[in-house]
Formats: sequence, structure tokens, C-alpha cells
Amino acid sequence: GAGVSQSPSNKVTEKGKDVELRCDPISGHTALYWYRQRLGQGLEFLIYFQGNSAPDKSGLPSDRFSAERTGESVSTLTIQRTQQEDSAVYLCASRRRGARSGANVLTFGAGSRLTVL
Amino acid sequence: DAKTTQPNSMESNEEEPVHLPCNHSTISGTDYIHWYRQLPSQGPEYVIHGLTSNVNNRMASLAIAEDRKSSTLILHRATLRDAAVYYCILRSDSGAGSYQLTFGKGTKLSVIP
Repeated sequence: GAGVSQSPSNKVTEKGKDVELRCDPISGHTALYWYRQRLGQGLEFLIYFQGNSAPDKSGLPSDRFSAERTGESVSTLTIQRTQQEDSAVYLCASRRRGARSGANVLTFGAGSRLTVL
Repeated sequence: DAKTTQPNSMESNEEEPVHLPCNHSTISGTDYIHWYRQLPSQGPEYVIHGLTSNVNNRMASLAIAEDRKSSTLILHRATLRDAAVYYCILRSDSGAGSYQLTFGKGTKLSVIP
């Protein structure tokens, strides 16, 4: 597609339920990022995928959070046993292969807004 | 990543130029300076980036100090659609984690009609 697509755009769930968020990156973009943005705050890095390399999971806040990506396509972010503090906008971004890393530009999706009641 | 410092908020009148400052006194020689902006209820979008020389594109200009310890994003003629949070980020060209972008709180720009 023309841009990074995320779904659902809004999700309201009850505490303790599992949620799955989806990201469709731009075709041909080998790198994919997940960020979290709490209300009024900056972006927190969660996880990074690059091709078939092992992902950088250093930003995942707890073992309730996991993410998968098959090849260079869709990624899913799963939050198990959701808590109220998980309420945030979850943003996905992708980046094309090549170019010097310092010059690489990220393209973000519109985000998935998660509300945990 | 080296840190950046930006004012929390700024105001501008519509159709006037806006200069958004960013301090990055600990910048290294391999750090690129990136600017992104985030409009309300949207994900961040790329604005411009540079290494040493000033840069211009259709959205904005980036003026980089000679010592690279500060930079300024210039919007030549602010419109209401430019109201957003503007993030100044340093992006290393090498080393572990160089692929990461670390976003601070940015500068919230308000444009007054």
C-alpha cells in the first residue's frame, strides 16, 4: 500500500483480556518498529524487526508484551492480560532497506488507540 | 543516542515564519539531525534531516550551527495545518542501536489565525 496501515484504529477492552494489534508496513520496507505513546507523552520504543535478523525486543515493558513478524510483511503486537497502564496509542513505523542508517527515514502509521477499562 | 533539548511550546501567527530551536551539545560526528512532526491524532511524519549543511525541502528548512551543537527548523510561512508537536532527534550513523530513533516530548507549536 501507499502507507503504513494499522488496525484496529481503536480498541476498548476489559482489564485482563488479551489484545492483538496489526501493522501492514509499506511494501519493500525491510525494517519495522513498534512504539507506544501514552497520553501527553513522547514515543517509547518497544521492538524492532529487520529482515530475518533476530528482533530487538529491548523496549518491551514486560513479558505480557510480544510481537511477531513473518519475513518482511505484516507484524502483530500482542498484549496479554491487559492492564489499565497499557492504555496508549501503539504506533508502527517502517523503513526501506539501504541508505546510510543515520539518514534513514521512518514512515509511521496512524496508530492503534488502546483503552483498557 | 545523544540528547536534544527543545522548548515545550511555541506560538506563531498564521502566515509568519517560525523558527523552532533544538540544542544538541553532545552530538557526535556521525549523528544526523532529524525532525519529525506529529499532528493531532496522527502518527509522526518525517519533516527533514541533515548532517552538516543547511537543508531545504518543500516542507521546511533546516539550519545547522557551524559547531553542530544546535539546529533550527524553519517553517517559512506557518499555516493552521502546521500546528503539531515537532520532534528534534539525533540518529547515529553507526554503532549498536543506530537504527533507533528516540523521541522526547518535542515542541508543541500553536498557530494563531
